[in-house]
Amino acid sequence: EAQVTQNPRYLITVTGKKLTVTCSQNMNHEYMSWYRQDPGLGLRQIYYSMNVEVTDKGDVPEGYKVSRKEKRNFPLILESPSPNQTSLYFCASSTPGQGEDEQYFGPGTRLTVT
Amino acid sequence: GNSVTQMEGPVTLSEEAFLTINCTYTATGYPSLFWYVQYPGEGLQLLLKATKADDKGSNKGFEATYRKETTSFHLEKGSVQVSDSAVYFCALSDLWRGGADGLTFGKGTHLIIQP
Repeated sequence: EAQVTQNPRYLITVTGKKLTVTCSQNMNHEYMSWYRQDPGLGLRQIYYSMNVEVTDKGDVPEGYKVSRKEKRNFPLILESPSPNQTSLYFCASSTPGQGEDEQYFGPGTRLTVT
Repeated sequence: GNSVTQMEGPVTLSEEAFLTINCTYTATGYPSLFWYVQYPGEGLQLLLKATKADDKGSNKGFEATYRKETTSFHLEKGSVQVSDSAVYFCALSDLWRGGADGLTFGKGTHLIIQP
């Protein structure tokens, strides 16, 4: 089954404690992205990757890091989480093309930073 | 830069009512336009899309037409059901930039259908 998986689905942590949210896709997609969803703000892109070892900042990259060492994985790293990073996070993947193809979204990770 | 504006909710309708959710956009280049749906507790799913002007996307009774002259992509359904209750996101992908940098989303419209 074609899918994007994220782990963990729920996480409660404390300020400053480093964490990683994993994302994996089994569709051999080259493009992957991370978004955060906040009430009243919709989804905003954090980082994206066009291929292995190629990443770039999205609209709200501050406080986040990513890596793309393998095509299927695109982890999101919070080196020192803060309460304003409490949010619902989505990973997505898609094929390269002319922008007309859908993005496939993971189920989301709900992060609470206290 | 790119932006998407959609009507904010919640929008509450009775079952079998006609639905319109407005969406307008600004973009450089030639965007593809999408409607995604998010059911409670789930991720986003593509509902429909249109890749060029005057295209009509349709799925599950929903329709939206890409109107370049009004920069709009309004979502419509003739008769809504309780199961349509969800959050709906309008989004664009800018072809000029190859679509590689992902989607620009509207803020989402929470739709509530009452029996």
